[in-house]
Amino acid sequence: IAGITQAPTSQILAAGRRMTLRCTQDMRHNAMYWYRQDLGLGLRLIHYSNTAGTTGKGEVPDGYSVSRANTDDFPLTLASAVPSQTSVYFCASSEASGSSYEQYFGPGTRLTVT
Amino acid sequence: GQNIDQPTEMTATEGAIVQINCTYQTSGFNGLFWYQQHAGEAPTFLSYNVLDGLEEKGRFSSFLRRSKGYSYLLLKELQMKDSASYLCAVRDSNYQLIWGAGTKLIIKP
Repeated sequence: IAGITQAPTSQILAAGRRMTLRCTQDMRHNAMYWYRQDLGLGLRLIHYSNTAGTTGKGEVPDGYSVSRANTDDFPLTLASAVPSQTSVYFCASSEASGSSYEQYFGPGTRLTVT
Repeated sequence: GQNIDQPTEMTATEGAIVQINCTYQTSGFNGLFWYQQHAGEAPTFLSYNVLDGLEEKGRFSSFLRRSKGYSYLLLKELQMKDSASYLCAVRDSNYQLIWGAGTKLIIKP
């Protein structure tokens, strides 16, 4: 593994189903993030984690949950998917949450909720 | 509210220079980032500005004027591979990134 991986690459999901998007990084970064990207809108932060064991809510957290049991993994769970959660989801990480640290992005998961 | 504005789309010619502007209104300021995103791919880091002035990195330069809430990304000697979206993002007082919708840059031969 080099950098950040996400799985699955894409998924079609029936409304009401539960789904976990996986994210793993091998850079030993402390901070991790989940974004969604929709056409015509900027990336919007769903949840973040500044360090293992801690999580926080971003701009659009409703309908999503996260956990950060260790440094490397940061899964995002949709408890009961709805069509408005159709989007491209990006996981990102940074060395720390301070001002100058750039974020590195995974390849994304394209999710369609029908 | 917090707001980042960028032009939706720009067109330029191979070999030319293009300037992509970004204006922002955020709760606090802890740096401004530019990212490049090719279609269907992840964003990748281009530049970071926290103080006023110009930061140069090869063909790409980024400028910041904090008092005006303004930045631009300057791309010189455009190549076809520069066709991509360019995202402006500001780190706010909570150290979270607020993202613009991106500028789609089309390069014509």
